[in-house]
Amino acid sequence: ILNVEQSPQSLHVQEGDSTNFTCSFPSSNFYALHWYRWETAKSPEALFVMTLNGDEKKKGRISATLNTKEGYSYLYIKGSQPEDSATYLCAFRRTDDKIIFGKGTRLHILP
Amino acid sequence: DSGVTQTPKHLITATGQRVTLRCSPRSGDLSVYWYQQSLDQGLQFLIQYYNGEERAKGNILERFSAQQFPDLHSELNLSSLELGDSALYFCASSVGGADPQPQHFGDGTRLSIL
Repeated sequence: ILNVEQSPQSLHVQEGDSTNFTCSFPSSNFYALHWYRWETAKSPEALFVMTLNGDEKKKGRISATLNTKEGYSYLYIKGSQPEDSATYLCAFRRTDDKIIFGKGTRLHILP
Repeated sequence: DSGVTQTPKHLITATGQRVTLRCSPRSGDLSVYWYQQSLDQGLQFLIQYYNGEERAKGNILERFSAQQFPDLHSELNLSSLELGDSALYFCASSVGGADPQPQHFGDGTRLSIL
C-alpha cells in the first residue's frame, strides 16, 4: 500500500450500537498514525496519536488499535450516540515527516 | 476553540493574482502545518515549519511558498492563482519536538478563484 486507505467510505449505525472502521497505511517508513474527528462546518479535532506497534488508546467510548507491521489501525466506537456523527480521518506520518491523510469514513448515527 | 487563528476566513480573487494566508499557532506550539482541501480530494499536506525552519514538504506547488516568522506565526503565499487553487486551506499547530504530538487545526481560509 502506497497510500492511506480508509474503509468503509460511509457507515450508518443505529444509536446505541457499536461500530468500527479501518485505516490501512504503508508498513514502511512509519513514524506515527493520527486519528481525527471532523464534524461538518468545523475543523478536524485530534483524537489519538499512535506510535508503537500494538498501541491501544482510549478516550471515553472511542478507542483505537495500531498494527504497524501489517499497516492498519482500527477505530472503535462503543454505544454510538448522535454526537458521534462525523467524518473520521486517519493520517500517516512518515519518518521524513511527510503526512498522508486518508479520505475518511463518514459516520451517520441513526436515532 | 483550538487556539489556532487563521485569517482571513474567506478570500475571493481572480486568476493570476497573488494572496497571503496567515496563521497564528496555539500559544506554546512551535510547529505549524499547512493543508489544502479541494472538493474532490482529501486533506493534502503542503508544508511544515518548526521554530522558523522548514521541516517537511508535501505536495506544495512551486507557485506556493510559506514561511514562519520569529513570533511563530506563519504565512502561506499563493501566486499566479489558477481556478484549481480554489480550496479550503487549513493551518494546524503542535508543540513540535521529537515525539509526534496532536495537531490543532484552525477554522481554515476558504479561497475562491473567479
